[in-house]
Amino acid sequence: AQSVTQLGSHVSVSEGALVLLRCNYSSSVPPYLFWYVQYPNQGLQLLLKYTSAATLVKGINGFEAEFKKSETSFHLTKPSAHMSDAAEYFCAVSDGRTDKLIFGTGTRLQVFP
Amino acid sequence: GAVVSQHPSWVICKSGTSVKIECRSLDFQATTMFWYRQFPKQSLMLMATSNEGSKATYEQGVEKDKFLINHASLTLSTLTVTSAHPEDSSFYICSARDPGLDEKLFFGSGTQLSVL
Repeated sequence: AQSVTQLGSHVSVSEGALVLLRCNYSSSVPPYLFWYVQYPNQGLQLLLKYTSAATLVKGINGFEAEFKKSETSFHLTKPSAHMSDAAEYFCAVSDGRTDKLIFGTGTRLQVFP
Repeated sequence: GAVVSQHPSWVICKSGTSVKIECRSLDFQATTMFWYRQFPKQSLMLMATSNEGSKATYEQGVEKDKFLINHASLTLSTLTVTSAHPEDSSFYICSARDPGLDEKLFFGSGTQLSVL
């Protein structure tokens, strides 16, 4: 069985500050891990994914995430927040063999000027 | 990039009526589409996998007679919530896999259903 926990339903940062969105997973098999972003009135867009290659994964818009097996974590970071980063972010896990994605509950990121 | 269009974006209906939600892949053919549901402050939950030309595969606990899925063409899947009740009020999202883009998954913008 697989599951994902996103700590913090809301995160607020100032423009230019570090963004850290937390995601912990549980999986009985080597996981594939994903971060999706959803801007208002739009569909989910893939930010980045981990599929058992490099543990530090770089995505679009300056985001990156590090797979830490010992901590069962896949936290999303960005060194400097931009106003346009305000959105809902979802962490997801799959077993890599099927199309089934298990999503977290999402974290809403607010960026203040 | 590939786009998945979902319509309507929101709908309000009376209890007992049926509601149809459409999911279209605009610039690619999708043999497989997926339907998710999200209740407030909960995760997106996969409801069913829609396969073009064949019956949908439903996840455990999802009533196939209540949530009718039709995938009649390679660019359109529909989800019909039959005899809707207030507990069916939720956010429904579809996604489609583009075989031409390394099987990348694209999501619609979702449909907010409110049943009165």
